[in-house]
Amino acid sequence: SQQGEEDPQALSIQEGENATMNCSYKTSINNLQWYRQNSGRGLVHLILIRSNEREKHSGRLRVTLDTSKKSSSLLITASRAADTASYFCATSLTDSWGKLQFGAGTQVVVTP
Amino acid sequence: DAGVIQSPRHEVTEMGQEVTLRCKPISGHDYLFWYRQTMMRGLELLIYFNNNVPIDDSGMPEDRFSAKMPNASFSTLKIQPSEPRDSAVYFCASAGYGRSEAFFGQGTRLTVV
Repeated sequence: SQQGEEDPQALSIQEGENATMNCSYKTSINNLQWYRQNSGRGLVHLILIRSNEREKHSGRLRVTLDTSKKSSSLLITASRAADTASYFCATSLTDSWGKLQFGAGTQVVVTP
Repeated sequence: DAGVIQSPRHEVTEMGQEVTLRCKPISGHDYLFWYRQTMMRGLELLIYFNNNVPIDDSGMPEDRFSAKMPNASFSTLKIQPSEPRDSAVYFCASAGYGRSEAFFGQGTRLTVV
């Protein structure tokens, strides 16, 4: 079974709009990461947030983490057509650091 | 560094045949992961290694699947015998201890007919 579950499963927006997607997980984590996958390609790491952090920024990306609710959100501001991809959250467990497990992903389509 | 290198990129084989997927991780990385991606099941962690030692293979679906890491620069995932339901994209990824970020290869698209 998967550790993380993303919501929504799919998101369609126009260029310039913001895209928000959420991730919920089940067990205690060491950190939570977000990855992007373009069609037919491997996953690319976007950002990592540790369990003792609440918010992190990287360029147009903003990630929040609420460990009490076991949830995280990824915000992409001022989206571009090139942001069209699938986005996955991944968790590294507290008691098993190396076991990096992925959610089902959110498919984002940004139209010009 | 060229990144994580997987071969072959595409593999088409007949049911019952043995399939071997290969991975060269990024030099200096301590962790190596094998994932399988399908539309139905998403990204599944099959097995991961730390310093060439298998740590958790609970995701390996059946005894038909086996993985080895004979040295720090090479790993294989073998399926014997292969079945149509093994058709998927198989990804290898590596990570350095303490950094957590995993680097993925381009994947091997396996089709078993």
